[in-house]
Formats: sequence, structure tokens, C-alpha cells
Amino acid sequence: SQTIHQWPATLVQPVGSPLSLECTVEGTSNPNLYWYRQAAGRGLQLLFYSVGIGQISSEVPQNLSASRPQDRQFILSSKKLLLSDSGFYLCAWSSKSRVDTIYFGEGSWLTVV
Amino acid sequence: AQKVTQAQTEISVVEKEDVTLDCVYETRDTTYYLFWYKQPPSGELVFLIRRNSFDEQNEISGRYSWNFQKSTSSFNFTITASQVVDSAVYFCALSEAGAGSYQLTFGKGTKLSVIP
Repeated sequence: SQTIHQWPATLVQPVGSPLSLECTVEGTSNPNLYWYRQAAGRGLQLLFYSVGIGQISSEVPQNLSASRPQDRQFILSSKKLLLSDSGFYLCAWSSKSRVDTIYFGEGSWLTVV
Repeated sequence: AQKVTQAQTEISVVEKEDVTLDCVYETRDTTYYLFWYKQPPSGELVFLIRRNSFDEQNEISGRYSWNFQKSTSSFNFTITASQVVDSAVYFCALSEAGAGSYQLTFGKGTKLSVIP
């Protein structure tokens, strides 16, 4: 069966510091991968999605970036965090045959102080 | 543009009561998919159900049931005989079919608290 993992689960970072959240999917190949953010008291917002290695689409302009160095690895990064980057970040995947059904990872809580 | 509205921000019920979570959506497409996800306090999003726009048959899964009404653009979720473990935030979401439609549009969620 397919599984998705992301880490770290929680982190507290100072303003201006870099960020790296990592996500991997197991049990499937060539998945679509996504990064979502859930800010406090708000719904989920799609940040990036990827249909293949090195292919990244951004949905929201921001100081975050994403990369897909391997087929089942998706990384969310920032060179300099802002206070507004605080939130709950979720990695997700879907298969090419069922792009409409998305499965989520455990999430990462980011607090920028 | 597609939109999902969950008007109920928070609901509290006593254990064993039935509860319905409302979801109203907007889309211009005739082909689309509707979803419900559960987000327990631990944070992960758990997929509950997926319905396509051509299938209005209501679905029941144990204590969960879903009522899809295209005429009112609603996709409501009912939990029968609620339990404390049902306490979570529930999200309704919409995905439109077609090229490039890789994203879900989520409602803002309804926080359900089941009181023992």
C-alpha cells in the first residue's frame, strides 16, 4: 500500500532563517505531489504541485519554493522565513490515474518567531 | 471560479446525537468531484469520501452518510450516533475535472466537538 511521510513534524524557526520540509511517498511511482498550507483559523491553500521530477507549478506567489529532486521526493524550502509563513504544512499525493483523489501526509507545524 | 462554503464554523453535540455538517459548492463545470476529509487533533487529513457529479446516489458507510443534491449544490455529511472519536475538523472540497485540474478547493472546515 502507499504511504506518505513528511518531516519534521514540528519546528520553531526565527524570522530570516531558512526552511526545508521534506516529503516522501512510498508504494507508488510517478505520483503527482502537492504542498498545502493551513494557516491558523483558515482553510487549506495549495502552494505547489508537481507532475514529475523537476516540474513544479506554483499557485501562490510567496517567498517559498519547492523542488522535486527524485520521483517520490518533494521538498518545500525558503531562504528567509517571514512571520506570516507560520502554519501547518501538508504534503499530499495522487496517482496519475486518479488525480482527483488526493491523500495527505501527517503535516508539519511551523512556527516562525 | 470554484468555491466551497462550510457555513458552520463549530458544532458541539452530546455523544450519541446525530449531527449534519453542511457543504455548499459553486462551480461552472458539469463534471466535478466532491470530497470530505477529516482532520483529527493530530493534524493529518484523512480521506473519507469522493463523489463525482454524475452520481447523486446517497452513500452510507457505517455511521457516516452523505447527501449529494445537485439542485441545491450541496454535499452534506451526517454522522449518526456520534462518538467522542468523531471530534475533529471536517473539510469539504471540490475538484473540477479537465486538463490542469490538479487542485482541490477546500472549504474552511467545520470543527466538530462531541461531548461525552
